[in-house]
Amino acid sequence: DAGVIQSPRHEVTEMGQEVTLRCKPISGHDYLFWYRQTMMRGLELLIYFNNNVPIDDSGMPEDRFSAKMPNASFSTLKIQPSEPRDSAVYFCASTLSFEGAGDGYTFGSGTRLTVV
Amino acid sequence: GQQLNQSPQSMFIQEGEDVSMNCTSSSIFNTWLWYKQEPGEGPVLLIALYKAGELTSNGRLTAQFGITRKDSFLNISASIPSDVGIYFCIEGGSKKLVFGKGMKLTVNP
Repeated sequence: DAGVIQSPRHEVTEMGQEVTLRCKPISGHDYLFWYRQTMMRGLELLIYFNNNVPIDDSGMPEDRFSAKMPNASFSTLKIQPSEPRDSAVYFCASTLSFEGAGDGYTFGSGTRLTVV
Repeated sequence: GQQLNQSPQSMFIQEGEDVSMNCTSSSIFNTWLWYKQEPGEGPVLLIALYKAGELTSNGRLTAQFGITRKDSFLNISASIPSDVGIYFCIEGGSKKLVFGKGMKLTVNP
């Protein structure tokens, strides 16, 4: 298996532009998570899905952020409009529901977003 | 709410030295998970602990689930340069994993 695939690996955009981050989870995994990592706040959970349905979006910072999972093999995290404080590394992770809680998280390599 | 304290927040050691990192929680954990994040990558699970008092080893790594179920430690023996990264201790009691800042380890060759 190719693991969790995120694209792009790096994104540089200007303030005010729309940014879309993409994630392909491991085939068969039914949980998908989006995290954001900064020096100040560490690795924060933004939102997670189960069977393509958003379960908990309490970590989404504000209305500028939205996430979708149209099918089991694809998810997007969109920021519109982007701001410099959104600069961070965004990670996607997936796991199987019947594994031990937390045991089987597989993370992607992340997308480093820079908003100038 | 639950408070998790991971200490120290960063460490600088020489290659070959042993290192110990500790986590304490304000509430009881049912599962402790230790993850490592290497530079430029996402976190990877190192060790999972399920029972109070459990001591688990994985090569040069040793982790223990505290008797009180409110603490855990991770030891790395004879450190090598590839041990650099951020180490996270987290509760594995649910599908929603909360990571925090972790502990940044630097190993000087």
